[in-house]
Amino acid sequence: AQSVAQPEDQVNVAEGNPLTVKCTYSVSGNPYLFWYVQYPNRGLQFLLKYITGDNLVKGSYGFEAEFNKSQTSFHLKKPSALVSDSALYFCAVRVHSGGYQKVTFGTGTKLQVIP
Amino acid sequence: EAQVTQNPRYLITVTGKKLTVTCSQNMNHEYMSWYRQDPGLGLRQIYYSMNVEVTDKGDVPEGYKVSRKEKRNFPLILESPSPNQTSLYFCASSSATSGMKSDTQYFGPGTRLTVL
Repeated sequence: AQSVAQPEDQVNVAEGNPLTVKCTYSVSGNPYLFWYVQYPNRGLQFLLKYITGDNLVKGSYGFEAEFNKSQTSFHLKKPSALVSDSALYFCAVRVHSGGYQKVTFGTGTKLQVIP
Repeated sequence: EAQVTQNPRYLITVTGKKLTVTCSQNMNHEYMSWYRQDPGLGLRQIYYSMNVEVTDKGDVPEGYKVSRKEKRNFPLILESPSPNQTSLYFCASSSATSGMKSDTQYFGPGTRLTVL
């Protein structure tokens, strides 16, 4: 069985400070990892993904994430937070193996950027 | 414009009254999926489909049915809705072919369902 943990329900950060939203995963096999963002009353939007290759992945809106296989983590980061980054962030995983398998999402982390 | 549409956006119904939530995508995606979002539980996958006539259960399929007769449509059917199916539902699609755009899911705007 695969699982995703987002240990923080909420992260507060001051505008201009760096932000980190944590994600750890558990899969049997090689993972595909994703970050999505949800703004109020909207569907989810793709931010970035790790499939293979470089462990540091850059995505939309200045976000990046680092795949760490030994720690089974895929933390989302941004060097300088904006108030407009305030939203709900979801990490997701699926196993990279023959055929397509189900996708598992974390419980989400609410990011609050304080002006 | 590339998009995933869902209808209705809001629905209030009563226990036991069959309902269907439609989902349609215009990106020729092979993969489509349904999720429900509940506070504290995040998104949980209900069913997914790899292609026409190919569907499989996600993590929470009980009480739901799906069909994939056409590539663009993936309706979610609740034969006998119950109050514990009150939730926010999202449909999503993605390309299953290899390449940079594969696996990126595009989500619909959501359907808020209340079962009384």
